Amino acid sequence: DQQVKQNSPSLSVQEGRISILNCDYTNSMFDYFLWYKKYPAEGPTFLISISSIKDKNEDGRFTVFLNKSAKHLSLHIVPSQPGDSAVYFCAATASNYQLIWGAGTKLIIKP
Amino acid sequence: GAGVSQSPSNKVTEKGKDVELRCDPISGHTALYWYRQSLGQGLEFLIYFQGNSAPDKSGLPSDRFSAERTGGSVSTLTIQRTQQEDSAVYLCASSLQGDGGELFFGEGSRLTVL
Repeated sequence: DQQVKQNSPSLSVQEGRISILNCDYTNSMFDYFLWYKKYPAEGPTFLISISSIKDKNEDGRFTVFLNKSAKHLSLHIVPSQPGDSAVYFCAATASNYQLIWGAGTKLIIKP
Repeated sequence: GAGVSQSPSNKVTEKGKDVELRCDPISGHTALYWYRQSLGQGLEFLIYFQGNSAPDKSGLPSDRFSAERTGGSVSTLTIQRTQQEDSAVYLCASSLQGDGGELFFGEGSRLTVL
């Protein structure tokens, strides 16, 4: 049973446009959510996070939105740049150390 | 080095052999995690070390898998009698505290079992 789901294995976006990556979860105990970015042959790197007491967190071109009632979060990248091409992982935790990860979405930014 | 270091970066082995994967976490990080990523899958939690506490081994898929962390620093993940389904990228991560916050990952060890 997947507690964190990223239903789009891949997403292709034109450079300069907005990229929207989605993540759904089933465990209502999750209270902290993170997005990681992974380039080929590298480990994932932390991108942005959000606590369940917020519904939005913004960091430069990256914004994460959390909809607790829908158990849904999304990562918005505006404007998309070629260097954003990577696999993006959504992860969630319930106030402990164990992160539950989604399967990832491969983002391709087209020039 | 400043980051999490893993070795070897690539390992090809024959079915039935034992393998050891090493992780050097960031100095001062008390929490250390092992994950694995199989093709097309998300990151699968394997084991977690926090300071001197007993490790959480709940993610280890079978008793062929074991891990230790010596002196609260370097960790070794051992897979005995490897099987083809063990083929994956094994990722190590460390964090300053084990509170589910930001993890710093190594580049991973790609294991291929023939």
